[in-house]
Amino acid sequence: SQTIHQWPATLVQPVGSPLSLECTVEGTSNPNLYWYRQAAGRGLQLLFYSVGIGQISSEVPQNLSASRPQDRQFILSSKKLLLSDSGFYLCAWRGLVKWEAFFGQGTRLTVV
Amino acid sequence: GEDVEQSLFLSVREGDSSVINCTYTDSSSTYLYWYKQEPGAGLQLLTYIFSNMDMKQDQRLTVLLNKKDKHLSLRIADTQTGDSAIYFCAELHLTGAGSYQLTFGKGTKLSVIP
Repeated sequence: SQTIHQWPATLVQPVGSPLSLECTVEGTSNPNLYWYRQAAGRGLQLLFYSVGIGQISSEVPQNLSASRPQDRQFILSSKKLLLSDSGFYLCAWRGLVKWEAFFGQGTRLTVV
Repeated sequence: GEDVEQSLFLSVREGDSSVINCTYTDSSSTYLYWYKQEPGAGLQLLTYIFSNMDMKQDQRLTVLLNKKDKHLSLRIADTQTGDSAIYFCAELHLTGAGSYQLTFGKGTKLSVIP
């Protein structure tokens, strides 16, 4: 069965520090991968999506970047965090055969 | 652009039925989804429906789709306190760049009163 792992679950980082959040998927190949941010208003904002290794599309200009070094690995990064980067970050994957999209458990990032 | 709208709050009594509504604007939506989010957790896929279907039932959950009005609803029968959560509607559509993307509503917070 397919599973998605996201870590860490919580993170407190000072302003100006770097960030690296990792997401990996098991049990599938060539998934579409997504990073979302959920801010205090509860809505989900799509940050990045990837249809394959090295293929990243950015939805909003921001202080973050994403990379996909392997087929089932998706990384969200920042060189210098801002206070406004605080939020709940969710990784998701969608298989190509089944039209189901699954989410990781999320990372609660607090920038102080 | 694509837009998905939901009411933000719904309160029901335990044992009653809950109906959560959603409207979307993209006529090219292929699949529509309902997700459940409990506090501090990720999103759990509850069910989804293909855009050429009118209804899908799965145990206590019934999804109704009115494609003409672009209206989706989730009915939870015999609502329990464990159903208290935020419910997100989402639609999958093909972008101009040739990729499929999910667009989410802001979520409906369901409160079940014992």
